[in-house]
Amino acid sequence: DAGVTQSPTHLIKTRGQQVTLRCSPISGHKSVSWYQQVLGQGPQFIFQYYEKEERGRGNFPDRFSARQFPNYSSELNVNALLLGDSALYLCASSARITGPSTDTQYFGPGTRLTVL
Amino acid sequence: QKEVEQNSGPLSVPEGAIASLNCTYSDRGSQSFFWYRQYSGKSPELIMSIYSNGDKEDGRFTAQLNKASQYVSLLIRDSQPSDSATYLCAASFYNQGGKLIFGQGTELSVKP
Repeated sequence: DAGVTQSPTHLIKTRGQQVTLRCSPISGHKSVSWYQQVLGQGPQFIFQYYEKEERGRGNFPDRFSARQFPNYSSELNVNALLLGDSALYLCASSARITGPSTDTQYFGPGTRLTVL
Repeated sequence: QKEVEQNSGPLSVPEGAIASLNCTYSDRGSQSFFWYRQYSGKSPELIMSIYSNGDKEDGRFTAQLNKASQYVSLLIRDSQPSDSATYLCAASFYNQGGKLIFGQGTELSVKP
């Protein structure tokens, strides 16, 4: 079975630009979460979607937005890019959002975003 | 106080030894705990999940959970050089929608 897929793999943008990152969850999974990981730190939670509804939002500015589509794939958008947005952006999918074993999150390969 | 804390390391062990990785958490509302392994430049890979007090074994890996002490650990037996990676501890907070809160990770180096 295919795991979580993300595109693109790498991305280079300049300050002020906008970027869209894409994620497809594991087949049958209805929840997608987005995380930002900067070098030397653990991933930081950005958004969680379940059944196409936003179920959680982390401490990120309004420049960050996301959505989930009817096929459960998801997009993360970041506007007005700053140098500090350079990071590995991770998408994780789970079957559900609560409950033992069903809330286990599996990560995709990530998108490496570099802002110049 | 951080919600999930790990020693950043690096932790260095000889090949064949037991590596012990520790994690503490501050929110008693946490109900699910996870250990992920992350190789440099790669994404986190799930090793173990644990939900109940006690030990859970999977091959060379044993996760231990003590909710009273708010403590989670991961033991790696017969450590191999291929186990050299950063190990991330994560807690799922049901009262916050099930999002994962990660520690900063512990870097493990297994020397041949």
